[in-house]
Amino acid sequence: TQLLEQSPQFLSIQEGENLTVYCNSSSVFSSLQWYRQEPGEGPVLLVTVVTGGEVKKLKRLTFQFGDARKDSSLHITAAQPGDTGLYLCAGASSGGSNYKLTFGKGTLLTVNP
Amino acid sequence: NAGVTQTPKFRVLKTGQSMTLLCAQDMNHEYMYWYRQDPGMGLRLIHYSVGEGTTAKGEVPDGYNVSRLKKQNFLLGLESAAPSQTSVYFCASRRGLAGGPLGTGELFFGEGSRLTVL
Repeated sequence: TQLLEQSPQFLSIQEGENLTVYCNSSSVFSSLQWYRQEPGEGPVLLVTVVTGGEVKKLKRLTFQFGDARKDSSLHITAAQPGDTGLYLCAGASSGGSNYKLTFGKGTLLTVNP
Repeated sequence: NAGVTQTPKFRVLKTGQSMTLLCAQDMNHEYMYWYRQDPGMGLRLIHYSVGEGTTAKGEVPDGYNVSRLKKQNFLLGLESAAPSQTSVYFCASRRGLAGGPLGTGELFFGEGSRLTVL
């Protein structure tokens, strides 16, 4: 079973601060996705990274896939209260079936005004 | 634009009762999934289906059964509910290989079904 470890589990910051969330594994993934989930709703895709070393930017969010495709990070610049939510990383296995995504346990981010 | 719809959204059961959760998607997606989400545990895959008439076990399949008789519907059944099955259940769908052979297709989730077993 491939595991994805996310850290930190909880993060509470003030508006305007920067933060980084990590997603690590000992396994190689063919692709990795980041989702954000708000209370009472299902997760929504933010980004998919496929190539080792790949960096993608989505406004104030920067996503990076590790060179070895075993880890990823999400950096938020100048966080805003609207960024509050549960951030989940999910990886598709590099060998065998890629039908399934393995999810990390998530990072619960609270941005205080 | 419905996307993925789950019914019911809330349900309370007594231990030993049975029930079925219905998931319907209108995006003509090949793959469908049932996850459960518990505090501190993230999303865990219960069962999934890669096409009409097919099902497969996920990470935590015990105590659950599924059926995919129609492409747009994926049913999750609890034959004899237990308190350990108290959770929020999410259905998700994804395009098949056309959505990305490397598993890069986006998962579309429903809003969740909150189940409490007393």
